[in-house]
Amino acid sequence: KAGVTQTPRYLIKTRGQQVTLSCSPISGHRSVSWYQQTPGQGLQFLFEYFSETQRNKGNFPGRFSGRQFSNSRSEMNVSTLELGDSALYLCASSLMGLAGGTDTQYFGPGTRLTVL
Amino acid sequence: AQKITQTQPGMFVQEKEAVTLDCTYDTSDPSYGLFWYKQPSSGEMIFLIYQGSYDQQNATEGRYSLNFQKARKSANLVISASQLGDSAMYFCAMREGNTGGFKTIFGAGTRLFVKA
Repeated sequence: KAGVTQTPRYLIKTRGQQVTLSCSPISGHRSVSWYQQTPGQGLQFLFEYFSETQRNKGNFPGRFSGRQFSNSRSEMNVSTLELGDSALYLCASSLMGLAGGTDTQYFGPGTRLTVL
Repeated sequence: AQKITQTQPGMFVQEKEAVTLDCTYDTSDPSYGLFWYKQPSSGEMIFLIYQGSYDQQNATEGRYSLNFQKARKSANLVISASQLGDSAMYFCAMREGNTGGFKTIFGAGTRLFVKA
C-alpha cells in the first residue's frame, strides 16, 4: 500500500507570494492533518480535516488555509508569504480519527518551503 | 493545557547497547494516544510505536518498547541493541480529541547519536 505523498517536495517562493501544497493520504484514510516544523518552534499543528470538513485548527493566522476533497486528498494554502513561513510542512493521514486518538497517524515526506 | 516534555536534547549511545529516551506528558483528557516517531535527516516522520491511555501492558514493536507509567504521566521509549541507523531525531507525541476534532502535539525531540 502506498504511503502518504506530498507534492512538491521543495519550493522556493518570495515574500508576498502565495503557495499551495498537496497531500495524498494512504488509501482508505479519511483524516488528514497538517503540521509546520521549524527549528525555533518545533512541530506545530495547523489543521485537521475529515470527510472534507475542517475539524480542528491550530493557532495560525488566517493566511494559512486548507481544504479536503472527496477523495480525501488535501491541499493547504499560504497567502502573502512571510520569511517566517519558511519551514518543513508535513501532512499526516489516519484511518478515521477515532476517539481517544487511537488510530495512528502516518506522515508524508514533507514539503520544504523556503521564502526569500 | 496539553503538553509534551522531552528533557534530553541529545543522547549518545554505543552501538548494540540499549538507550532510554524520556517523555512526560500532561493532559486532563482520560482518553489519549501516545506515539513515538523517528525523523532521520531526510525529514520524514517514521512511526515507531503507540500506547493507548487505557492499555494495561506496555507496547512493544521489535527493538522498540514503550515504558508507560500512567500515574507519573511518562512514556519513555526504550531502544534495545542500538544500530548506527538509529541515529536520528526522536519525537514523543500525544494525540487526543473526539469526533469533533483531533490534535497531536509533539515534544521538542531528542537527537540520538549511535557510536560505532
